[in-house]
Amino acid sequence: QQKVQQSPESLIVPEGGMASLNCTSSDRNVDYFWWYRQHSGKSPKMLMSIFSNGEKEEGRFTVHLNKASLHTSLHIRDSQPSDSALYLCAASMGYQNFYFGKGTSLTVIP
Amino acid sequence: GPKVLQIPSHQIIDMGQMVTLNCDPVSNHLYFYWYKQILGQQMEFLVNFYNGKVMEKSKLFKDQFSVERPDGSYFTLKIQPTALEDSAVYFCASSSTGDITGQLYFGEGSKLTVL
Repeated sequence: QQKVQQSPESLIVPEGGMASLNCTSSDRNVDYFWWYRQHSGKSPKMLMSIFSNGEKEEGRFTVHLNKASLHTSLHIRDSQPSDSALYLCAASMGYQNFYFGKGTSLTVIP
Repeated sequence: GPKVLQIPSHQIIDMGQMVTLNCDPVSNHLYFYWYKQILGQQMEFLVNFYNGKVMEKSKLFKDQFSVERPDGSYFTLKIQPTALEDSAVYFCASSSTGDITGQLYFGEGSKLTVL
């Protein structure tokens, strides 16, 4: 059973637009959520993490977390072509046992 | 930032042969992981390792797979014998509860092609 579900599978946004990505865990044991970005042919790099209910903003990126529903979302404003990548959501139990979703493939069109 | 090194970056072998993938984790990290990724798709968990032991493994971690880290050297993933469906990119990752962010750091991957 998939522990982490992501939607949509793929997303196309125009340059300067807003991209919104969703992630939900079905495992109530998880308590930390992570967003990783993976450019084609490269390794994943952590983008943002969120552990508490609410919102966290870093530059053009904002993450939300609702711990009751185990749902997190990532929003990218003023999207750039360099943001085109596979976005992976991961859920963990503390700092152990990281489980990834299938990812959302984001394409930003100039 | 912290680096995880993986050797080799690419290996081509015949089905049935043995392969060993090597990982040099971040020096003060305590938790080590192997993930399998096919065609840039889902990052699938294989196994995690702590204090010399396998802590958890997935259904993908078949009997032909084994991991070890003898005496603090490379963290290795061995597949013996290999099958066609083992063709993938294998990523090693490490993390430390001592790290303020606790995040996973990934190596650049070892692309395995089984013919």
